[in-house]
Amino acid sequence: EVQLVESGGGMVQPGGSLRLSCEVSGFIFSSYAMSWVRQAPGKGLEWVSAISGSGDNTYYPDSVKGRFTASRDNSKNTLYLQMNSLRVEDTALYYCATNPPSGSGYYYYFDYWGQGTLVTVSS
Amino acid sequence: EIVLTQSPATLFLSPGERATLSCRASQSVSSYLAWYQQKPGQAPRLLISETSNRATGIPARFSGSGSGTDFTLTISSLEPEDFAIYHCQQRRNWPVTFGGGTKVEIK
Repeated sequence: EVQLVESGGGMVQPGGSLRLSCEVSGFIFSSYAMSWVRQAPGKGLEWVSAISGSGDNTYYPDSVKGRFTASRDNSKNTLYLQMNSLRVEDTALYYCATNPPSGSGYYYYFDYWGQGTLVTVSS
Repeated sequence: EIVLTQSPATLFLSPGERATLSCRASQSVSSYLAWYQQKPGQAPRLLISETSNRATGIPARFSGSGSGTDFTLTISSLEPEDFAIYHCQQRRNWPVTFGGGTKVEIK
């Protein structure tokens, strides 16, 4: 059974930092790209990062580029998101999700999701 | 950035009725469109990828169609558990983007 469990959320002041973790089981972690997707309270979904199976390639939207860094430890089956210079508008439930392999790359849709960890940025 | 516009924002239907949800892209996404279902307090669940491929375990009453800029998710006969929010998502270009969602509510 595929499982993804996020942790590390909490309340932080604007300008602060947090590191989220996502521990996975039930599949070959290194074969999958992984993403973080967030959802502000009462709002839609926003993709915030993707990382290839090896960790060599990362992708970010402009809204978080330069502030957020995705990484992974394939020996620990764990995905991370380092979030720096946090803003009020980063307040959201952060989900980790899998991106399945496709030939030499990945399908960047999201086939398994965790339950999310809440990040609140407030003074 | 490719903008996805979903319509209607809310759809009021009764169990047993057919639901037709629309997702329009600001430029062509080819067939690289997915649909997700999200219930209150739950993570989204992948329903359909690549416009029309049902994910594992998704009932046949869910179907997807379209190409280029116009896409449709159809639920042939609504079951009580289908009342939820539905999101579309494109993977044609970076950044990956989602639509704003359509809520299917009980009439």
